[in-house]
Amino acid sequence: GEDVEQSLFLSVREGDSSVINCTYTDSSSTYLYWYKQEPGAGLQLLTYIFSNMDMKQDQRLTVLLNKKDKHLSLRIADTQTGDSAIYFCAIPGPGNTPLVFGKGTRLSVIA
Amino acid sequence: ETGVTQTPRHLVMGMTNKKSLKCEQHLGHNAMYWYKQSAKKPLELMFVYSLEERVENNSVPSRFSPECPNSSHLFLHLHTLQPEDSALYLCASSQGGGIRVDTQYFGPGTRLTVL
Repeated sequence: GEDVEQSLFLSVREGDSSVINCTYTDSSSTYLYWYKQEPGAGLQLLTYIFSNMDMKQDQRLTVLLNKKDKHLSLRIADTQTGDSAIYFCAIPGPGNTPLVFGKGTRLSVIA
Repeated sequence: ETGVTQTPRHLVMGMTNKKSLKCEQHLGHNAMYWYKQSAKKPLELMFVYSLEERVENNSVPSRFSPECPNSSHLFLHLHTLQPEDSALYLCASSQGGGIRVDTQYFGPGTRLTVL
């Protein structure tokens, strides 16, 4: 089945850029997602990219998709302390199977 | 209320208790999901309901019993749980009427502790 991998931890200084990476083994041609989970909360849809795009920019967020390498990344510009959270990539499996989530990357922002 | 709500937010139960988790979505969606999130594993999909019919059950133990009385409500009935079932249980909904991939919107979760 689908396998989605993320590094578990990332620490950056406030004001720097954060890059969170995700690799996957297979995907259907549809949307790929980034979710954010703050402490004690559920998952909040952050952004997504359609599989025929290479890049999507949304204010401080930039999503890059390399379909050849099966690599998805999320860049957060000017990272703030409020960005401290766990970030999950979610990839649809092959065919009509539901999303497969990575283990999440815990982003810590140092003031 | 808007979005996806879950009650209770926190639950502590003994192994012999019976309890239920409730999820309600106010988005007019047709599909609802239960996920389990524990510290040691990725998000695990437990159940998917589409148009009130169960379409996926990922080999979940029978001590977890879902119920979907209508497209807005989803329950997870719990009985004779084990301590390893302690986790955050997340509900999600999506617009689709099948199990095709749609954007999922999550509730805040119920933090379950089994003593």
